[in-house]
Amino acid sequence: SQQGEEDPQALSIQEGENATMNCSYKTSINNLQWYRQNSGRGLVHLILIRSNEREKHSGRLRVTLDTSKKSSSLLITASRAADTASYFCASNFGNEKLTFGTGTRLTIIP
Amino acid sequence: DTGVSQNPRHKITKRGQNVTFRCDPISEHNRLYWYRQTLGQGPEFLTYFQNEAQLEKSRLLSDRFSAERPKGSFSTLEIQRTEQGDSAMYLCASSSWTENYGYTFGSGTRLTVV
Repeated sequence: SQQGEEDPQALSIQEGENATMNCSYKTSINNLQWYRQNSGRGLVHLILIRSNEREKHSGRLRVTLDTSKKSSSLLITASRAADTASYFCASNFGNEKLTFGTGTRLTIIP
Repeated sequence: DTGVSQNPRHKITKRGQNVTFRCDPISEHNRLYWYRQTLGQGPEFLTYFQNEAQLEKSRLLSDRFSAERPKGSFSTLEIQRTEQGDSAMYLCASSSWTENYGYTFGSGTRLTVV
């Protein structure tokens, strides 16, 4: 079963705008990760945030984590056409496996 | 290092046939995972290995599914007596889990059961 849910399910924005997607999970985590998936391909790891961290940056990506609300957000700034993809959050609950959410389909309009 | 390799990329099989997929992980990674993904959904965990030991299997993995990782290197996932509901993308990933790094995924094997 999938423990996380992303919101929105789909998002379309103009190139250059910022994109924000949210993730909720159900139980305590060790860390939360975000992945990108281009159509029909495997997933690419973007960023990992540990449970004792509140914010993390990597290039144009900013991730926040609110463990009291069991939620995370991914912000992509200055979006590009190449950012068009599905984005998934994945939670690690202290065992060895990741549990993925349902994903947000992001479309960047040139 | 060329990343995680999965073969074949696509497989079309008739219902009732057996299929086998192969995954070659990154050589330094001792953990290997299999996930299944259907259209519009996130990946669902099937099973994972630490070296050659299979440490966890999902309830999704019926008796028709078996996975192996001989010698802790490549892994195979076999589905016996395939059903149409087995049609999905099968993803393999590897990691050297340190709580600081994520998974490296292969490109997946897309299975279509007709």
